[in-house]
Amino acid sequence: QVQLVESGGGLVKPGGSLRLSCATSGFIFSDFYMSWIRQAPGKGLEWLSYISNSGSTIYYADSVKGRFTISRDTAKNSLFLQMDSLRAEDTAVYYCARVSAIPDYWGQGTLVTVSS
Amino acid sequence: QSALTQPRSVSGSPGQSVTISCTGTSSDVGEFNYVSWFQQHPGKVPKLIIYDVTKRPSGQRPSGVPDRFSGSKSGNTASLTISGLRTEDEAEYYCCAYTGSYTYVIFGGGTKLTVL
Repeated sequence: QVQLVESGGGLVKPGGSLRLSCATSGFIFSDFYMSWIRQAPGKGLEWLSYISNSGSTIYYADSVKGRFTISRDTAKNSLFLQMDSLRAEDTAVYYCARVSAIPDYWGQGTLVTVSS
Repeated sequence: QSALTQPRSVSGSPGQSVTISCTGTSSDVGEFNYVSWFQQHPGKVPKLIIYDVTKRPSGQRPSGVPDRFSGSKSGNTASLTISGLRTEDEAEYYCCAYTGSYTYVIFGGGTKLTVL
């Protein structure tokens, strides 16, 4: 069955960096767009970034543009999110999701806390 | 692109029916039949309950979605109807639509359903 497992979250100081990973299985990774979605404590879902199946098309929400970088490794069936210049407002649970017009399968999420 | 518009909260009694609306534009909800709904209980991963406006997930998913949940669309507004309310339906509900543009997907702000 389709599985997505995020890792790499944790506590980081403002201005620091983290790299999130999402290991996938149960589907042909190279056939699908992939995305990152986050949810700040007590807030709604934020569509953060996506990458096309070929990697040629990438989108970032304005809130993270220039600071976050999405990438994928087809050989490892994995999705990544490099997060730099982190701010307190980046504190959230980060979900990776497979995209089939909409995000149809989600991982369990990884918590990122930005605090001094 | 602004978020889809959902009511902040709705409520109903056990056994009743409630409808949650999701209003977008002619460029997203109105143009494509790729509207989905997610149910999220506190501390849990959002669960896909409706996709392609009216379809309920089945097959590979670990838990099915009861037919008490149904979706519809009229013009630029999609709706989620939950009939025969049960206490376990109390949760946050998010709509999501494909935009066909660079943004790709847009979420609603979420609706808190309270079962009285």
